[in-house]
Amino acid sequence: GAVVSQHPSRVICKSGTSVKIECRSLDFQATTMFWYRQFPKQSLMLMATSNEGSKATYEQGVEKDKFLINHASLTLSTLTVTSAHPEDSSFYICSARPRRSSTDTQYFGPGTRLTVL
Amino acid sequence: AQSVTQLDSQVPVFEEAPVELRCNYSSSVSVYLFWYVQYPNQGLQLLLKYLSGSTLVKGINGFEAEFNKSQTSFHLRKPSVHISDTAEYFCAVVTRSGGYNKLIFGAGTRLAVHP
Repeated sequence: GAVVSQHPSRVICKSGTSVKIECRSLDFQATTMFWYRQFPKQSLMLMATSNEGSKATYEQGVEKDKFLINHASLTLSTLTVTSAHPEDSSFYICSARPRRSSTDTQYFGPGTRLTVL
Repeated sequence: AQSVTQLDSQVPVFEEAPVELRCNYSSSVSVYLFWYVQYPNQGLQLLLKYLSGSTLVKGINGFEAEFNKSQTSFHLRKPSVHISDTAEYFCAVVTRSGGYNKLIFGAGTRLAVHP
């Protein structure tokens, strides 16, 4: 149980285009999903917290107009990187916290490798 | 806000040897602590967690960790490692900020198991 999927696993795009990444909780409902960014050989940095049916809360320094987050249902959150630039190339990982969870346990997706040319 | 420090960026070890990966957290009234493992080009997998109760926590793949309040530590141990344990290990703590509970990760420790 507690499986989180991400799609696509890898994406290559041209500079200036937009890319959408999906995060799904497959066997549980998640009122809260998180989006992280990980640079090579570094730790995960929280970008934003996404709550179903409300606006995402972004961490300091993360541009909300560039990284659009939508959490339309209890099993799906999307991250759209708008007008992508090479410096946006990174490994993006989502996680989901089960509904009614009292332990703050998050389950992570397998990640999406974004390369912007 | 809570924070965690992983003291070793890399830990090389021979197969079947014991290993300890160190993690220290900033002190707080209550704390939830986690260890995650990340294999290359993959997401994170939960190894174990401490929420309350017994200070010795057993996880998957033969790993265990001990919560030590006086030393504010949550070190991860395995008595005998395998080649397949080669991965990046992250210690994490829950912190509350902006009305939400969030996971704050340490910098990670690269465990390299050699034959």
